[in-house]
Amino acid sequence: EDKVVQSPLSLVVHEGDTVTLNCSYEVTNFRSLLWYKQEKKAPTFLFMLTSSGIEKKSGRLSSILDKKELFSILNITATQTGDSAVYLCAVRYGGATNKLIFGTGTLLAVQP
Amino acid sequence: NAGVTQTPKFRVLKTGQSMTLLCAQDMNHEYMYWYRQDPGMGLRLIHYSVGEGTTAKGEVPDGYNVSRLKKQNFLLGLESAAPSQTSVYFCASSPSTGSGHFGDGTRLSIL
Repeated sequence: EDKVVQSPLSLVVHEGDTVTLNCSYEVTNFRSLLWYKQEKKAPTFLFMLTSSGIEKKSGRLSSILDKKELFSILNITATQTGDSAVYLCAVRYGGATNKLIFGTGTLLAVQP
Repeated sequence: NAGVTQTPKFRVLKTGQSMTLLCAQDMNHEYMYWYRQDPGMGLRLIHYSVGEGTTAKGEVPDGYNVSRLKKQNFLLGLESAAPSQTSVYFCASSPSTGSGHFGDGTRLSIL
């Protein structure tokens, strides 16, 4: 059975801390791995990773994929209260269907 | 630039009632999806469409039907609502490659 597992389930940190969120997967016909940030409404896209070892960066956020060990990490440095959200990991799989399978998410709370 | 628009945003139904959720996208995307999000379960795929006039079952299709008569619209129907269908429903669209764009969700409560 295909699955995506995220850890930790929740995390509380203080502003300025660095956090690492984990995503492991067992999915047949893997195509890419995506990270989303979900605040109160729609998930918003952060990164898409297709190749191992190539770090994607956007400001204080970065992510990397390991296709041999079947996992990805999302790093957030110098956290701010605005980073508080649920972070979702999803794997795109299959051929022409372009389907995603999601993990349950990591709830990050950044305290002032 | 609306992106993906879902209507309604909130709805309360009684068990056995029917309703249709509408999703509209203005990005000319081929692929459209309906997900439900429940606490501790993440987003689960209900049905999806790879193009106008096509639909297919996802992970949790029972109790739902969909139609994609026009490329920009994807409708999700509940024929006879059940309390187990209380959830937040998200629609998404995507091009053949790249990320998906999500609507703001519909919060549905079934009493």
